[in-house]
Amino acid sequence: NAGVMQNPRHLVRRRGQEARLRCSPMKGHSHVYWYRQLPEEGLKFMVYLQKENIIDESGMPKERFSAEFPKEGPSILRIQQVVRGDSAAYFCASSHLGPPETQYFGPGTRLLVL
Amino acid sequence: GEDVEQSLFLSVREGDSSVINCTYTDSSSTYLYWYKQEPGAGLQLLTYIFSNMDMKQDQRLTVLLNKKDKHLSLRIADTQTGDSAIYFCAECSSGAGSYQLTFGKGTKLSVIP
Repeated sequence: NAGVMQNPRHLVRRRGQEARLRCSPMKGHSHVYWYRQLPEEGLKFMVYLQKENIIDESGMPKERFSAEFPKEGPSILRIQQVVRGDSAAYFCASSHLGPPETQYFGPGTRLLVL
Repeated sequence: GEDVEQSLFLSVREGDSSVINCTYTDSSSTYLYWYKQEPGAGLQLLTYIFSNMDMKQDQRLTVLLNKKDKHLSLRIADTQTGDSAIYFCAECSSGAGSYQLTFGKGTKLSVIP
């Protein structure tokens, strides 16, 4: 059984470019969560999605950030016009049922904005 | 202030027991989790406890929950060098109508051979 998969594992972007982060949940899981981890910090919740629906985006910055989880394919976290402060590790988690069902995490995408 | 607090560092000798402590503030917490993060890696779920339990044991791991004091601890028996990592405490609560995981900043465990 493959776990949660994220790609790319590392992403380097220049200021103003777009970053697209992909997450494939565990097989059979239809609930996806995105978290951001700044250096020396814990994880901060960003958004919770179920297939084709955004359930809770209360942790997502209002501008430049968007997330989707289409019927087919991985969940995508998109950051437009990246700035240096977006440099962080972005983790995706999935669960079989909705919260508070246990969430299983992917290896993360480490984004570096130059 | 932070909703979940942990001490930042812990150092123990190989073979000793490690105790990592965590306090949380949301009394509506349903599940409480311990995750392990090794350098450059994602989070590995170690164990979790439901809020109506006091204790849970799983091999070398023992979780104690004091709901009255909102205090959670993780004890690792016979600590090994492979246990060196950052340990995150997290709570899942529905207080705001949305089940989010709230993490502490993590406790870095260093095991001295």
